[in-house]
Amino acid sequence: QQQVKQSPQSLIVQKGGISIINCAYENTAFDYFPWYQQFPGKGPALLIAIRPDVSEKKEGRFTISFNKSAKQFSLHIMDSQPGDSATYFCAASIEGTDKLIFGTGTRLQVFP
Amino acid sequence: DTGVSQDPRHKITKRGQNVTFRCDPISEHNRLYWYRQTLGQGPEFLTYFQNEAQLEKSRLLSDRFSAERPKGSFSTLEIQRTEQGDSAMYLCASSLNGGEQFFGPGTRLTVL
Repeated sequence: QQQVKQSPQSLIVQKGGISIINCAYENTAFDYFPWYQQFPGKGPALLIAIRPDVSEKKEGRFTISFNKSAKQFSLHIMDSQPGDSATYFCAASIEGTDKLIFGTGTRLQVFP
Repeated sequence: DTGVSQDPRHKITKRGQNVTFRCDPISEHNRLYWYRQTLGQGPEFLTYFQNEAQLEKSRLLSDRFSAERPKGSFSTLEIQRTEQGDSAMYLCASSLNGGEQFFGPGTRLTVL
């Protein structure tokens, strides 16, 4: 019940295309859903985050869609660029705790 | 540089040896977290501190692991009697009052 399931494991997209990564959870006590981007040899960096009171959040080319009833959320990267090539992790945490539960990651490759 | 720093970046040790890692958080951050990341997986929570108090420990943190944050600033993570299964990237993060967690570059541990 503490898991966050992420798919796909890897994704290949052409430059300019849309990258979509999906996550699902079971624990309805989760109330914070961030997405992290990680480049090789670096620690994860927060990309965008959402709370369950909204269904969508957009920051530049990055959008989180959140479906509370389905317990799913997804990251959309519009106009994907080669510089977006990285591993993306979804995560979740329970209200009142700082512990982040991470998904298993999606390796995104954007080809020119 | 005002980000989270970790030292060393890489550590190779023989099974049975003790190792210690250091994390220096962002200076004004009162919370500090340790995570472990194995190849192809997302980070797994180990423990976290608010100032010098250790508030939560994961079951992953066996008796061979100990973390300290003696003055509420830097933190150390010690692994005693290392095992091959301890080989992983150890990530440190910090936050201000439970807000966005900023991650360091990690310490990659290889146990031979």
